[in-house]
Amino acid sequence: EAQVTQNPRYLITVTGKKLTVTCSQNMNHEYMSWYRQDPGLGLRQIYYSMNVEVTDKGDVPEGYKVSRKEKRNFPLILESPSPNQTSLYFCASSLGSLSSYNSPLHFGNGTRLTVT
Amino acid sequence: AQSVTQLDSHVSVSEGTPVLLRCNYSSSYSPSLFWYVQHPNKGLQLLLKYTSAATLVKGINGFEAEFKKSETSFHLTKPSAHMSDAAEYFCVVSDRAGTASKLTFGTGTRLQVTL
Repeated sequence: EAQVTQNPRYLITVTGKKLTVTCSQNMNHEYMSWYRQDPGLGLRQIYYSMNVEVTDKGDVPEGYKVSRKEKRNFPLILESPSPNQTSLYFCASSLGSLSSYNSPLHFGNGTRLTVT
Repeated sequence: AQSVTQLDSHVSVSEGTPVLLRCNYSSSYSPSLFWYVQHPNKGLQLLLKYTSAATLVKGINGFEAEFKKSETSFHLTKPSAHMSDAAEYFCVVSDRAGTASKLTFGTGTRLQVTL
C-alpha cells in the first residue's frame, strides 16, 4: 500500500532534549516536506526536499533540522526543543519534479509533539 | 508572493443541504489550486485540484469547485451534505512560476454537519 509513515504518533518530551521524528515513503517520490499545524494558522512549511541531498527552508525553519540521505526517508530533528514547538507535525511527499509542480501531496497521519 | 484566505473558520449545515466553503487566493502568476480534507486524527487527503484545464473541477465524494479568475476565488461546493463530510477543509495555492514545489495553505474551515 502506498503510504507515508511517520513515527511516533505521539511524543512528550522536556525542553532541550534532542528528538527525531521519522518519515518514510514507499512511492519513490522525489519531493518531501515537513509541516506544522497550529490552531488558526493552518499548515506552515518547515523544510522541504526536492531530492536526495537537496533540502531547503520553508516558512518556519528556526529550531529544526532535516536530512535527506536516502530518497525514501526525511527525518525531522529538533536539537533543543522548546515549548513553542509543541504542535502537530505532518510529513508529506509528492512526485514533485520541476515539471509536476501540481502533483498532489500524500500526507502521513501526523505526530503530536508536546514539549514541557 | 502568493496567499490564500478561507473566509469562514467554521461552517455548520444540516445533513442533506448544500455545502459552500469559500476560498480566495492571491498569486503573481497563474496558480494551481487544491482543496484538501482532514478527518480527525488523520493526515490531509486531496479532494480536487485545478491546474488551468476546465474551470469547474470535480473531486471525490461529490465535491466540486469552480475557478473564477475575475473574482480570484475557488469555492468548494457539494449539493447535499452527509454526516461523513464533517471534517476540516484546506484551500491551497501553488505558484507555478516557482522553481520549488511551494504550497501555501489556508487556515482551514471546519465543517460541521448536523441531523
